[in-house]
Amino acid sequence: DAKTTQPPSMDCAEGRAANLPCNHSTISGNEYVYWYRQIHSQGPQYIIHGLKNNETNEMASLIITEDRKSSTLILPHATLRDTAVYYCIVRVAGQFYFGTGTSLTVIP
Amino acid sequence: NAGVTQTPKFQVLKTGQSMTLQCAQDMNHNSMYWYRQDPGMGLRLIYYSASEGTTDKGEVPNGYNVSRLNKREFSLRLESAAPSQTSVYFCASSEVFSWGNQPQHFGDGTRLSIL
Repeated sequence: DAKTTQPPSMDCAEGRAANLPCNHSTISGNEYVYWYRQIHSQGPQYIIHGLKNNETNEMASLIITEDRKSSTLILPHATLRDTAVYYCIVRVAGQFYFGTGTSLTVIP
Repeated sequence: NAGVTQTPKFQVLKTGQSMTLQCAQDMNHNSMYWYRQDPGMGLRLIYYSASEGTTDKGEVPNGYNVSRLNKREFSLRLESAAPSQTSVYFCASSEVFSWGNQPQHFGDGTRLSIL
């Protein structure tokens, strides 16, 4: 059974906000949610992580629901260089699960 | 500013051949990891080393062995390569063994094809 569930693909217009959802209903109470992205099969690039509260850094914002069963990664002003596969990652029983990710295409 | 360096970047093997993939990090991290990524899938953990001198199995360890040579280096060995091991292999490191508040940093991968 999947540890995380993400839509397989999404489009976003350049300059608009990209909102990428993730369901992680089996996450433990003290486990963080991480987001990474992968461009052109390069090594995954760290974006952001969080536990309970919403988080923001220079790349993105992370919104985690109060029950922690889902989260949303927000890229506030998507650019063409944000086109990538985005992975929502949780740790279950000690193992880190990447899932299949969301392929985000930013359209000019 | 190398971060995590993997060698080689590409390799083609014949079934039954052996091969060692090398990984080195220059961030003084304690923990290192090996993942594989198959087409259209996310990464799956093969082995990890929480600290120098220790190694443990991940999600898909069968057919692989690892060696934590020192704090900087963590190698992955295929003793008898099989076509099912055709994949892209990523090495990663983190300051400590916990994603609790420590992101992992990844190399650019080794693309391995086994004929």
